Amino acid sequence: EDKVVQSPLSLVVHEGDTVTLNCSYEVTNFRSLLWYKQEKKAPTFLFMLTSSGIEKKSGRLSSILDKKELFSILNITATQTGDSAIYLCAVGNSGYALNFGKGTSLLVTP
Amino acid sequence: EPEVTQTPSHQVTQMGQEVILRCVPISNHLYFYWYRQILGQKVEFLVSFYNNEISEKSEIFDDQFSVERPDGSNFTLKIRSTKLEDSAMYFCASSSQKTNTEAFFGQGTRLTVV
Repeated sequence: EDKVVQSPLSLVVHEGDTVTLNCSYEVTNFRSLLWYKQEKKAPTFLFMLTSSGIEKKSGRLSSILDKKELFSILNITATQTGDSAIYLCAVGNSGYALNFGKGTSLLVTP
Repeated sequence: EPEVTQTPSHQVTQMGQEVILRCVPISNHLYFYWYRQILGQKVEFLVSFYNNEISEKSEIFDDQFSVERPDGSNFTLKIRSTKLEDSAMYFCASSSQKTNTEAFFGQGTRLTVV
């Protein structure tokens, strides 16, 4: 059975800290790994990774995939209170579905 | 920026009633999906739809559920006879390709079955 495991489940940091969120997976016929940010309702897309070792970057957020060790990390530097959200990792295989992890709940305090 | 829109944002229904959740996917997307998220749990795949037919469905998507694309823009999820355990946030999503592309999610419909 396919599995996507995120850690930690929750995290509280101070503004300005750097955080690293983890996602490990066991998926048959892996195709892609996606990170989403869920604030109130809809997951909003952050990154999609398909190749090992290539960092995707957008402002203070970056992500990298290790297909050999079957994990990805999402880094957020200089965190702000607006980064408070649930961060979801999802993995796509050769089918149509995305398999989501339970998410990491991040709270950034002033 | 194009977005996926869902209506209604919140629906309360009595157990045993039929509900239809509506979605307008992004206009040039070809793949459409329904996911659900029970409160406090992970987002779960229900069904995908491509070329006017179901392309994949999960175990959750039993005979009580159906999907339809009645016209060129709307995509609906029908639950025939709702149960208490159907209470969840239902997300519609769409993508331009099957794989190696991001799926864009709507704001969700919160379904409460009483």
